[in-house]
Amino acid sequence: GAGVSQSPSNKVTEKGKDVELRCDPISGHTALYWYRQSLGQGLEFLIYFQGNSAPDKSGLPSDRFSAERTGGSVSTLTIQRTQQEDSAVYLCASSFTPRTDTQYFGPGTRLTVL
Amino acid sequence: SQQGEEDPQALSIQEGENATMNCSYKTSINNLQWYRQNSGRGLVHLILIRSNEREKHSGRLRVTLDTSKKSSSLLITASRAADTASYFCATSPDRGSTLGRLYFGRGTQLTVWP
Repeated sequence: GAGVSQSPSNKVTEKGKDVELRCDPISGHTALYWYRQSLGQGLEFLIYFQGNSAPDKSGLPSDRFSAERTGGSVSTLTIQRTQQEDSAVYLCASSFTPRTDTQYFGPGTRLTVL
Repeated sequence: SQQGEEDPQALSIQEGENATMNCSYKTSINNLQWYRQNSGRGLVHLILIRSNEREKHSGRLRVTLDTSKKSSSLLITASRAADTASYFCATSPDRGSTLGRLYFGRGTQLTVWP
């Protein structure tokens, strides 16, 4: 079946602009996660959605970052007033259930802030 | 930190040789997952090993888990040039506020020379 998809694959923006990144999880997966990976680093957790529960936003680095998940499926990560330090690959993952199951990752969105 | 830490940071071998990568972590876990990443993009899931398991195999991959030492190893046998990639271990803690959040190390960069 189809895996996790993300769009766009690449995004170049100017400092101060807002960007939206999209994630389509695997159908039927209730848990959705956003991570980011800066150059040469491991993955940093950003936010987690599980069903209709309130999202866990504990990993968001600042209030310029927000995310929503509509209808328990597609998720959008929004970064307002982008800064150069926001440049990274943003990865989305989904799993059937949290904690115990494999997380399947999308191809990522490479964000470059000039 | 709850992060996994991979060792070595970089590994360079010839085709046909075996590659062993190690991972250490700090908290009790539900499971540990190994991923491969090519060219800084999406992560490909390799193996999930649960806390009550000691060893798992998948093709040329063998993963061991020692929960008493809080460590895991990934062995790739008869390596190929196509195995060249970054390899990450990720732990899913068995308790905590964020269900299913994975904690990643910085990865091992494996280079396999033809």
